[in-house]
Amino acid sequence: LAKTTQPISMDSYEGQEVNITCSHNNIATNDYITWYQQFPSQGPRFIIQGYKTKVTNEVASLFIPADRKSSTLSLPRVSLSDTAVYYCLVGDTTDKLIFGTGTRLQVFP
Amino acid sequence: GAGVSQSPSNKVTEKGKDVELRCDPISGHTALYWYRQRLGQGLEFLIYFQGNSAPDKSGLPSDRFSAERTGESVSTLTIQRTQQEDSAVYLCASSLIQGLAEPQHFGDGTRLSIL
Repeated sequence: LAKTTQPISMDSYEGQEVNITCSHNNIATNDYITWYQQFPSQGPRFIIQGYKTKVTNEVASLFIPADRKSSTLSLPRVSLSDTAVYYCLVGDTTDKLIFGTGTRLQVFP
Repeated sequence: GAGVSQSPSNKVTEKGKDVELRCDPISGHTALYWYRQRLGQGLEFLIYFQGNSAPDKSGLPSDRFSAERTGESVSTLTIQRTQQEDSAVYLCASSLIQGLAEPQHFGDGTRLSIL
């Protein structure tokens, strides 16, 4: 599985757009890029997944450049409830998945 | 309840005791996963089941850990002779099929504390 690198923490204010970038230089051809969100005392929750270009759903957008060596999770107009840890995963199977420590996003009023 | 259910939600036990953690996946999900999350850290993959079979058990931390799944449904994670370093949240997830392209649905975990 490709190793991922993401910032340990980020701060933002309500109403701002937040972009969290994940580096995955060794991504393989068959790998997908998946993001999860985890609130305290809860299990992670699937946010979005993509293979290339751009994916958008009701929660977020995922931007993937042509070389696929990085990806950016974009959260539009964050609110206090978006305060959570965000994990970037890269792979084609769920064998031995590595969530890493994720990015801790703190949203301030 | 349509989600993944784990029990107990909290477990406190003395060092050396055995503990059994239970996971009820979403009905119809063939793949089931166990993770461990220590305080302030990311998730550590332990084992996954496709149906009732676990193709690879090398993620289990030691031979004190074992897991089984029956009826392509309920799974139990057993830790024998618990140690203080086993203290963590144990998370279970299920997915319709096995594969990263298939989102995993997580329970809220069992918080295990070893005294």
